[in-house]
Amino acid sequence: DADVTQTPRNRITKTGKRIMLECSQTKGHDRMYWYRQDPGLGLRLIYYSFDVKDINKGEISDGYSVSRQAQAKFSLSLESAIPNQTALYFCATSDPKMAAQETQYFGPGTRLLVL
Amino acid sequence: GQNIDQPTEMTATEGAIVQINCTYQTSGFNGLFWYQQHAGEAPTFLSYNVLDGLEEKGRFSSFLSRSKGYSYLLLKELQMKDSASYLCAVRDVNTGGFKTIFGAGTRLFVKA
Repeated sequence: DADVTQTPRNRITKTGKRIMLECSQTKGHDRMYWYRQDPGLGLRLIYYSFDVKDINKGEISDGYSVSRQAQAKFSLSLESAIPNQTALYFCATSDPKMAAQETQYFGPGTRLLVL
Repeated sequence: GQNIDQPTEMTATEGAIVQINCTYQTSGFNGLFWYQQHAGEAPTFLSYNVLDGLEEKGRFSSFLSRSKGYSYLLLKELQMKDSASYLCAVRDVNTGGFKTIFGAGTRLFVKA
């Protein structure tokens, strides 16, 4: 079974709709992240959480919100979707106690299309 | 500010060696990562450098020069399955925690 899972894997929605992307992990990591990936721009950080009570904005948080329901769950919401939020979204986890390098482990991604 | 530059695309031949360069500018450098990402899949960790020098791991090696803000990923004995994007990423010390900044990636095509 995958350590980091994302649902849904693909989603088509219309402008103005509210949608939620969910991420779950069985790695026991405290730190979780949401990124979006666009062609030619690489991965950009939307929000991150270092533990259940900690939520931080990344470089492109406008138009997004998150919820850390438990150590294992971190959800990303688009309150009112717009077409330029069409992208591939990745959830990731890390654990600073595992190694100094603190590798990030990525989920399989959610491909979102906003019409 | 923070900036990471790497070539957009490279092509190499099966069995050959290829070097993918990465230059970066960051205010609080605390390590450099290389990730591999096959089309439509999640990035996966390849290597990590925090001190100057070469780190070797099988067919893959990664080099870092902190004074030059420069790294490269060296892939030897190329195989068709090495066709993927290679992401250079820098961890930056920031108030409140560490952030990892990703480059746009280098798409490598391995031809027979």
